[in-house]
Amino acid sequence: DAGVTQSPTHLIKTRGQQVTLRCSPISGHKSVSWYQQVLGQGPQFIFQYYEKEERGRGNFPDRFSARQFPNYSSELNVNALLLGDSALYLCASSKGQGNPIYGYTFGSGTRLTVV
Amino acid sequence: QQQVKQSPQSLIVQKGGISIINCAYENTAFDYFPWYQQFPGKGPALLIAIRPDVSEKKEGRFTISFNKSAKQFSLHIMDSQPGDSATYFCAAAHSSGNTGKLIFGQGTTLQVKP
Repeated sequence: DAGVTQSPTHLIKTRGQQVTLRCSPISGHKSVSWYQQVLGQGPQFIFQYYEKEERGRGNFPDRFSARQFPNYSSELNVNALLLGDSALYLCASSKGQGNPIYGYTFGSGTRLTVV
Repeated sequence: QQQVKQSPQSLIVQKGGISIINCAYENTAFDYFPWYQQFPGKGPALLIAIRPDVSEKKEGRFTISFNKSAKQFSLHIMDSQPGDSATYFCAAAHSSGNTGKLIFGQGTTLQVKP
């Protein structure tokens, strides 16, 4: 089975621009979570979605938004990009409603560089 | 607010040695403590996890030790191998919630020398 697929793998954007990152979960997984990993730090929780509904939101500004589609894939959108948004954006899928005890499978991430 | 503190930041171990990484948490509501391994260019992968009803869990060369009263847990890698060279993250979560929120430590970069 294919793992969690994220696209694109790398992206360079200019300050003030908008970006959309995409994630396809493992087949059969209905929950998707998004994390931001700044270089040299641990991942930070941004959003979690289950059955197209937002189940959790981390401490990120409203410039960050996400959605989940009927096929359980997800998009993360970031508006008005700042230099500080440069990071590896990770998507994780899980079984059930997203309880972490069932294990998360992370994708390889999208490396976003804002210049 | 940092809720999971991890140390050391980096670690160098000789092949065959024991690697030890420590974490401390603040929120007593946390009751699920996983460790993730991340190689360059890859996402974190679940290595081993523990619930607070046990003090130790072992899977192959990897062991988690848990001290509930001290709010600390650690990862021990026995017989460390060069292939174990990676960044390791501890994390914590509420097992009863469905918010999908894992709180990660800052990470430890492990280098195992041949």
